[in-house]
Amino acid sequence: IAGITQAPTSQILAAGRRMTLRCTQDMRHNAMYWYRQDLGLGLRLIHYSNTAGTTGKGEVPDGYSVSRANTDDFPLTLASAVPSQTSVYFCASSDSAGVSDTQYFGPGTRLTVL
Amino acid sequence: GQNIDQPTEMTATEGAIVQINCTYQTSGFNGLFWYQQHAGEAPTFLSYNVLDGLEEKGRFSSFLSRSKGYSYLLLKELQMKDSASYLCAAMDSNYQLIWGAGTKLIIKP
Repeated sequence: IAGITQAPTSQILAAGRRMTLRCTQDMRHNAMYWYRQDLGLGLRLIHYSNTAGTTGKGEVPDGYSVSRANTDDFPLTLASAVPSQTSVYFCASSDSAGVSDTQYFGPGTRLTVL
Repeated sequence: GQNIDQPTEMTATEGAIVQINCTYQTSGFNGLFWYQQHAGEAPTFLSYNVLDGLEEKGRFSSFLSRSKGYSYLLLKELQMKDSASYLCAAMDSNYQLIWGAGTKLIIKP
């Protein structure tokens, strides 16, 4: 693989269910990010990780959790999905945090919560 | 608060030139990014400006004025494949990106 992969590509989920979106990068980037993209709004940061073992909250963290056990993987978990979490979710990575590094994006996961 | 403004939609003709404007207001500033996003796909990096002036990269150029909180993306010799959304994002003092809602560019033959 090259770059960032995300799984699943799309998912329809019943409200109240737990769901984990997967993200893996093979670029050995230190920093990783989760965004959601909704129509008419800019990308909004959910959570980020500056390096393996650390995570931080972004602009819209409520209802989401993340972990960063190693450099490559950065899963996003919805503990109990609600319809307002219907969105397209993008994972991104950059070489370093705390500098003006370019962020590279995965292909996205389209999530519908009914 | 932090804010990015860009037009929602623009239309241009194949072969022509189009300028997409972006104004930003952030707490601190560590650069301005432009990304291209085709429908149903991921954003892809186009350009980065941190100093005032014009950066040219093939058919695409990006301009920054830090004193005015203003940037633009200039696309020359438009091709049908340039039909996409163009996202402006400013990096704040915490090195986090603040994103505009994107400008949907429609190219007509």
